[in-house]
Amino acid sequence: EPEVTQTPSHQVTQMGQEVILRCVPISNHLYFYWYRQILGQKVEFLVSFYNNEISEKSEIFDDQFSVERPDGSNFTLKIRSTKLEDSAMYFCASRNGRIGNTIYFGEGSWLTVV
Amino acid sequence: GESVGLHLPTLSVQEGDNSIINCAYSNSASDYFIWYKQESGKGPQFIIDIRSNMDKRQGQRVTVLLNKTVKHLSLQIAATQPGDSAVYFCAENIGYGQNFVFGPGTRLSVLP
Repeated sequence: EPEVTQTPSHQVTQMGQEVILRCVPISNHLYFYWYRQILGQKVEFLVSFYNNEISEKSEIFDDQFSVERPDGSNFTLKIRSTKLEDSAMYFCASRNGRIGNTIYFGEGSWLTVV
Repeated sequence: GESVGLHLPTLSVQEGDNSIINCAYSNSASDYFIWYKQESGKGPQFIIDIRSNMDKRQGQRVTVLLNKTVKHLSLQIAATQPGDSAVYFCAENIGYGQNFVFGPGTRLSVLP
């Protein structure tokens, strides 16, 4: 069964460093998302991406964040200068867009900022 | 802003019993809802969905009920098994193509 894959599964980085989290959405999907989940809290929306541009973003997604679809398969989240409060699990998700409205999540990338 | 919330943050049930997990939503414009299961250290896993033009939908051992009058959603799990132990989130979608808003989650613990 097709699935969303994410790398790395866990990354530790120093405060102020740049981080890139990578995702390969399900191949025939058109909509892509990043969500995050701080430990013990609910899943929070960051950004959605469609047709090679951001379609919606939350207040969390400030100028330190950016997304890119550099090729036909990858979808990346970049945090330019990490802060301690960026420590969280980051989930990539995708949705077909042609049939059904369900979004499917990857297993997540756990980011620890020290 | 609009939000999705859960009545019970934790739920413990005996193995074999039925579980009911509840969710309240406040946005009357929401037209699509999903229940996700999240096991420790993993991503949310789709369980079942329901559109606002329905009030009940059944899957394998799971049933979702939607009461639009009181803006309430529930997930029923029949014959709960140890493998059902997880955090369950409801998520609402306001319109096609929009993002999903998640509730805070309910932890389900299945007792032997």
